[in-house]
Amino acid sequence: EVQLLESGGGLVQPGGSLRLSCVVSGFTFSSYAMNWVRQAPGKGLEWVSTITNIISTSYHADSVKGRFAISRDDFKNTLYLQMSSLRVEDTAVYYCAKSRHSSAWDDFDYWGQGTLVTVSS
Amino acid sequence: QSVLTQPPSASGTPGQRVTISCSGSSSNIGYNTVNWYQHLPPTAPKLLIYSDNHRPSGVPDRFSGSKSGTSASLAISGLQSEDEADYYCATWDASLNGWVFGGGTQLTVL
Repeated sequence: EVQLLESGGGLVQPGGSLRLSCVVSGFTFSSYAMNWVRQAPGKGLEWVSTITNIISTSYHADSVKGRFAISRDDFKNTLYLQMSSLRVEDTAVYYCAKSRHSSAWDDFDYWGQGTLVTVSS
Repeated sequence: QSVLTQPPSASGTPGQRVTISCSGSSSNIGYNTVNWYQHLPPTAPKLLIYSDNHRPSGVPDRFSGSKSGTSASLAISGLQSEDEADYYCATWDASLNGWVFGGGTQLTVL
């Protein structure tokens, strides 16, 4: 059974940093691209970042470019999102999602339950 | 303002057929395939349709997808109360070099 479990969310002040983790099981993590998608309160889903497998090419939404960095540890079956210079508008539930294949443009076939990040003073 | 345009709401009675539209441009829907997700917070989003019109295993055949040019649609036939959720279209945008989602459509079963 495919499982994705996010952690690391919490309350952080504007300008602060936070690292999210997503531990996966039930599939060969190193064979697939992975993603982060968020949902701000009362808003829709917003793509944040994608990382491919093998050479780990990463892509980020313009709204987080230069502030967030996606990475992966294939030995630990874990996906990360390092978030810095956090803004109030980054407040959201952050979901980890598995891609169907290894390309950045493959659909997201499994999702985690999400972890809440609140940016507030 | 989302890159992909969806109606904010849709509704139908049990047993009816409902369609949800998703409009984009040549750099997204016109360039890549479209996926549809069902989301009922606080649960995890669920893939409903991928590659325009393919259903993952376990998704009822009441759900179907189609695409023409720069627009896509999700159809739900034999509407059931459990279908009440938010629905999102998504695709890769070649100009933005990233994923774009529609703003979401909240489906109500009357």
